[in-house]
Amino acid sequence: GAGVSQSPSNKVTEKGKDVELRCDPISGHTALYWYRQSLGQGLEFLIYFQGNSAPDKSGLPSDRFSAERTGGSVSTLTIQRTQQEDSAVYLCASSPGQGDYGYTFGSGTRLTVV
Amino acid sequence: AQSVTQLDSQVPVFEEAPVELRCNYSSSVSVYLFWYVQYPNQGLQLLLKYLSGSTLVKGINGFEAEFNKSQTSFHLRKPSVHISDTTEYFCAVSKRGNNDMRFGAGTRLTVKP
Repeated sequence: GAGVSQSPSNKVTEKGKDVELRCDPISGHTALYWYRQSLGQGLEFLIYFQGNSAPDKSGLPSDRFSAERTGGSVSTLTIQRTQQEDSAVYLCASSPGQGDYGYTFGSGTRLTVV
Repeated sequence: AQSVTQLDSQVPVFEEAPVELRCNYSSSVSVYLFWYVQYPNQGLQLLLKYLSGSTLVKGINGFEAEFNKSQTSFHLRKPSVHISDTTEYFCAVSKRGNNDMRFGAGTRLTVKP
């Protein structure tokens, strides 16, 4: 596609439920990244993919968070048993390769846990 | 891991005045440096980047930044700001050959008439 697409744009969920956030990167971009932006905060690195592999998962806040990427394209970020502190904007970005080009970001998914 | 510090959380400035948004980075290896802008309810947009070569980098919307290795800084500047420049700006650093870009906490630029 022309840009990075994220869905849903907004998600309200009840505490304890599972949620899936989707990211569709720019076609041909091999690298994909997930960040979390809490209110008034900078961007917290969560995970990145090179192809379908995730060399660095150390940014995931807890074992309730997981992510996968299939076919070198779409990625899903899953949060299990959501907590109120998970409320944030989840941003996805993609880049052509090894992080030296600057990223193209999606508009984000605003997650609210009530 | 590499990190960045944006020294000012908020910068107020009058329209048509010059502005500098400060960014310092920390890394034991060579880095790439970036400035991004975020408009409300949107993702981040790349303003400019330093990869190598000239230390003065020019970006979109009249912004420029200068890489200073000795001071480990990458400050963003604009000689004359507009009301439309009011928004959040993020500095970011990535180790060369590495894929995890780290962002600062952001600087809110407010341009007043």
